[in-house]
Amino acid sequence: DSGVTQTPKHLITATGQRVTLRCSPRSGDLSVYWYQQSLDQGLQFLIQYYNGEERAKGNILERFSAQQFPDLHSELNLSSLELGDSALYFCASSVGHSGSTDTQYFGPGTRLTVL
Amino acid sequence: DAKTTQPTSMDCAEGRAANLPCNHSTISGNEYVYWYRQIHSQGPQYIIHGLKNNETNEMASLIITEDRKSSTLILPHATLRDTAVYYCIVRVGNDYKLSFGAGTTVTVRA
Repeated sequence: DSGVTQTPKHLITATGQRVTLRCSPRSGDLSVYWYQQSLDQGLQFLIQYYNGEERAKGNILERFSAQQFPDLHSELNLSSLELGDSALYFCASSVGHSGSTDTQYFGPGTRLTVL
Repeated sequence: DAKTTQPTSMDCAEGRAANLPCNHSTISGNEYVYWYRQIHSQGPQYIIHGLKNNETNEMASLIITEDRKSSTLILPHATLRDTAVYYCIVRVGNDYKLSFGAGTTVTVRA
């Protein structure tokens, strides 16, 4: 158990809909990362938040957005869903300090199926 | 980030040591070698990381060559639960992302 929690575990929805995935980081971690893992793409970095602020962006679609709240939990919002958005979505967290190694610990993931 | 090269797959007998190689010939002086594994659709699990020196923890040992161009992850006594995809990643310590390649699919056989 990494200490990172994600809800829900599974999500089934239809094309065109909007969903919200939730992540709670490990106690004491300030950084949250979102990754997408689809069958044909492997694990892809989407976005990072540090202490409530967006820090880095990866291959995140404009239909996707995220935020990190004052209690440090994070939400990933996916809208206008397409079949191709079906994937595993992982959240990771780290302490987030700079100047040293900063290991990311992953949650169990949310499996999204778009029908 | 430096690229890594890992074998696509390997088998290991239960109870034996599993030695997983990784080549990272273009690694920079400030880049660390990280190992993660992913057991069938679960979240990637951190195993170990190192810069220059060999490292050991309760899960594995990491051997880094003196020129740092390659490394080996050693699982000392493989069990069936070690069957997973193992990823070798090189990154600057506080880089914001992990770049996962295809990894090595390790199958531990009874």
